[in-house]
Amino acid sequence: EDQVTQSPEALRLQEGESSSLNCSYTVSGLRGLFWYRQDPGKGPEFLFTLYSAGEEKEKERLKATLTKKESFLHITAPKPEDSATYLCAVLGTNAGKSTFGDGTTLTVKP
Amino acid sequence: NAGVTQTPKFRVLKTGQSMTLLCAQDMNHEYMYWYRQDPGMGLRLIHYSVGEGTTAKGEVPDGYNVSRLKKQNFLLGLESAAPSQTSVYFCASFTGNGMGYTFGSGTRLTVV
Repeated sequence: EDQVTQSPEALRLQEGESSSLNCSYTVSGLRGLFWYRQDPGKGPEFLFTLYSAGEEKEKERLKATLTKKESFLHITAPKPEDSATYLCAVLGTNAGKSTFGDGTTLTVKP
Repeated sequence: NAGVTQTPKFRVLKTGQSMTLLCAQDMNHEYMYWYRQDPGMGLRLIHYSVGEGTTAKGEVPDGYNVSRLKKQNFLLGLESAAPSQTSVYFCASFTGNGMGYTFGSGTRLTVV
């Protein structure tokens, strides 16, 4: 069975203090690893898809990386508007049904 | 392009009442999903569909039924609501590869 574990559960940063969120996974035949952002009271919003170890994707202050067992979401010089819950999910050979982690709630203080 | 639209956005039900939540997508996605999200518990999959006319159980299907008669619509039904079904319900759709799920904005359901 596919599994996703995210750490830490919560992360508090000062504005400008860079850090990383971790997503550890086990999956049968990785077809994609996904990162989402969820703001309070809203549905998750897609950020990145990573397909194979060594791949990296960037968007503004966010960079996602992938190894065979983990993915990291690096946040460089965060701003208060980056505060949100970040979800990781994997899609394996069970086509069309992703497995989600419980998320990391990021709070960036000004 | 509206994406995924959920109706209603809010609803209060009495225990034992029934209701249907509607999810509509205009992206021609094959796959559709219903999740519930409770504080501290993350997203839990209720039911999903891999194409028109198909449905499958997720991890928490008890007390819910679904139908996908048309490709663009995925209905979630509660036949006899219970307080334990108080939650935020999210619908999502997916092409099957590439970009991730597209989620709706959610339905906040309270059962009293």
